[in-house]
Amino acid sequence: GQQLNQSPQSMFIQEGEDVSMNCTSSSIFNTWLWYKQDPGEGPVLLIALYKAGELTSNGRLTAQFGITRKDSFLNISASIPSDVGIYFCAGQMNSGTYKYIFGTGTRLKVLA
Amino acid sequence: SAVISQKPSRDICQRGTSLTIQCQVDSQVTMMFWYRQQPGQSLTLIATANQGSEATYESGFVIDKFPISRPNLTFSTLTVSNMSPEDSSIYLCSVESETQYFGPGTRLLVL
Repeated sequence: GQQLNQSPQSMFIQEGEDVSMNCTSSSIFNTWLWYKQDPGEGPVLLIALYKAGELTSNGRLTAQFGITRKDSFLNISASIPSDVGIYFCAGQMNSGTYKYIFGTGTRLKVLA
Repeated sequence: SAVISQKPSRDICQRGTSLTIQCQVDSQVTMMFWYRQQPGQSLTLIATANQGSEATYESGFVIDKFPISRPNLTFSTLTVSNMSPEDSSIYLCSVESETQYFGPGTRLLVL
């Protein structure tokens, strides 16, 4: 199926560092979601974005809905070991269908 | 938000057999979905489970292989039929409740 391009694919960072990842597409989206998946668990919703240019925070996490509606960004500030996991973006093209296309994922590893 | 549970949480099955996965939500929801996540991969939508009518399948997925039931607004099942090792994946139920929430997943290994 169709997937969104997410980068970086994986990253190792030191505890305390800030992290940035992004999701891009050639298509326009109406909604962007960001999820975190821990090993052996289902994805957990972190942030939902509904308007172009929207900037939303959830604790140390901040996400933005790109102004072109073709991309989204997630930043994690002052990373901690429990930030380890896989982060997925998901985009919805048509509001009426409730169907989402998922990114390829960013695997984050935090070194204490 | 919505609280979603899935059964079983994991299973090991022999090829040629079938497994039915259950998804239970703590509130009534209109939209329920089934996803597959192959090892080390992202999530792929299998189908939308429609209450009172046949599920709507995505390209590459068919009803004979993945029959789905949706008897009411809080429950759905996905059956993985005539399994092969290629069906080894995590199967995830999700619901639309203001936004999309996922269950914990069912980890299936087919030998």
